[in-house]
Amino acid sequence: QSVLTQPPSVSAAPGQTVTISCSGSISDIGNNYVSWYQHFPGTAPKLLIYDNNQRPSGIPDRFSGSKSGASATLGITGLQTGDEADYYCGTWDSSLGAYWVFGGGTKLTVL
Amino acid sequence: QLLLQESGPGLVKPSETLSLICTASGGVFNSSYHWGWFRQPPGKGLEWIGAISHSGTTSYNSALRRRVTISVDTSKNQFSLRLRTVTAADTAVYYCARRSDFWRGFSLVSWFDPWGQGTLVTVSS
Repeated sequence: QSVLTQPPSVSAAPGQTVTISCSGSISDIGNNYVSWYQHFPGTAPKLLIYDNNQRPSGIPDRFSGSKSGASATLGITGLQTGDEADYYCGTWDSSLGAYWVFGGGTKLTVL
Repeated sequence: QLLLQESGPGLVKPSETLSLICTASGGVFNSSYHWGWFRQPPGKGLEWIGAISHSGTTSYNSALRRRVTISVDTSKNQFSLRLRTVTAADTAVYYCARRSDFWRGFSLVSWFDPWGQGTLVTVSS
């Protein structure tokens, strides 16, 4: 069972907008900074968002991140079939010494 | 651009030790970063195993701490994972990644990028 809670799956049609939630607690998301990763099975996970809402160079502005309290959200606009992947949120958990935790992952299906 | 590549046996017997190496190439392998290991069991999500600084300071997932050792060899641009006394539950794709950090007040802003392609390790007799 993951420390951070994500919906197992979300789906939307091409061109539409989807959001993926990541819920935690004060000891993880509440007091730390969230990053998001895109993962196509069998390949290297890819950083999409860091520092709650910052995009690395090369990540299109269709991807956005936000955080409020102990929850974070990844937004994807203008969905493309190539966005169909697994998405993970991650952050530090300060409750038992500092260690890194992920959400359980969300499978995005572009219908 | 930094590239990371995992290497090691794809099959390990139960009760033995899983050993993997992550080799960095094409970029900077220095004290500005930490280096981490992760895994993804079949059908499950990502799990953080632990990380090491360039100087050798380690941090481990508490659930694996008693069985894990991560080390770094800066002369070879490599860092390693050893997981002892493995069982079938340790069957997974194992990934390595670079961790970047900066302090904002009393909080550490961290992220992992880039990642290696991953290597499947199966525990079976």
